[in-house]
Amino acid sequence: EPEVTQTPSHQVTQMGQEVILRCVPISNHLYFYWYRQILGQKVEFLVSFYNNEISEKSEIFDDQFSVERPDGSNFTLKIRSTKLEDSAMYFCASREWGQETQYFGPGTRLLVL
Amino acid sequence: KQEVTQIPAALSVPEGENLVLNCSFTDSAIYNLQWFRQDPGKGLTSLLLIQSSQREQTSGRLNASLDKSSGRSTLYIAASQPGDSATYLCAVPPASNTGKLIFGQGTTLQVKP
Repeated sequence: EPEVTQTPSHQVTQMGQEVILRCVPISNHLYFYWYRQILGQKVEFLVSFYNNEISEKSEIFDDQFSVERPDGSNFTLKIRSTKLEDSAMYFCASREWGQETQYFGPGTRLLVL
Repeated sequence: KQEVTQIPAALSVPEGENLVLNCSFTDSAIYNLQWFRQDPGKGLTSLLLIQSSQREQTSGRLNASLDKSSGRSTLYIAASQPGDSATYLCAVPPASNTGKLIFGQGTTLQVKP
C-alpha cells in the first residue's frame, strides 16, 4: 500500500542552524501538509500546499519557515534559523484530490540544542 | 475558533473489554471527522473518516459515531486487545474546510493482557 515517507527520522541541530525536512507524499496526491507535535502537546497545523503554492499557513509558520516542492516527488520544510522551541516531531501528510482522508508520514523528530 | 477536546486523557482496561473514547468539538459546522491512531514515537494512522452527513462508520472492531448537533463523536472499540494500546486522536477541519485538521489532545489507551 502506498505510504508517505519522511527523512530523516531524527535530526539534532544547534540553535541558529538551518534544517530541511524531507517528505515524499503518495504519488497521485495533490494536497500536502506539514504539522508538528511538541512533546506532550496537540498535533498542530503548520502549512498546506497545493498547485505549487501555499494555500494556508498558521501563525506558527513565520518567516523562518518555508516549503518547497523541488521536483515531482519531494516536499520539503525548511527552518532557516532554528530555535529551541522548534524541537518537535514534524509530520508530513498528503491527500488525494476529491478525497478527504489525510495520510501521514512517520515523522521527523527534530531536537534543537 | 474550533476547539477539539478528548476525554478521558488516559484509559486502562483489561483485555476483551468494550470501550468508548470521546471527542467533542465546539463548532458543529464540520465537514467530517477523522479518527487516528498514534503509536509511541510514530506517525498517525488513519482509522476512520466519518462524513458530516453520516451518523456512523465501521471498520472491523471499530465503530465511530457522529452527532454534529451536540458536537460529539465517539470511537467504540469492541473486544479490546493489547495490540490496541496506543493514543487515539480525533481531528476535524475548520468550518471553512480549507483542508487543515484541528486535533484533540488524544486519549492514551492501555489494554492489559
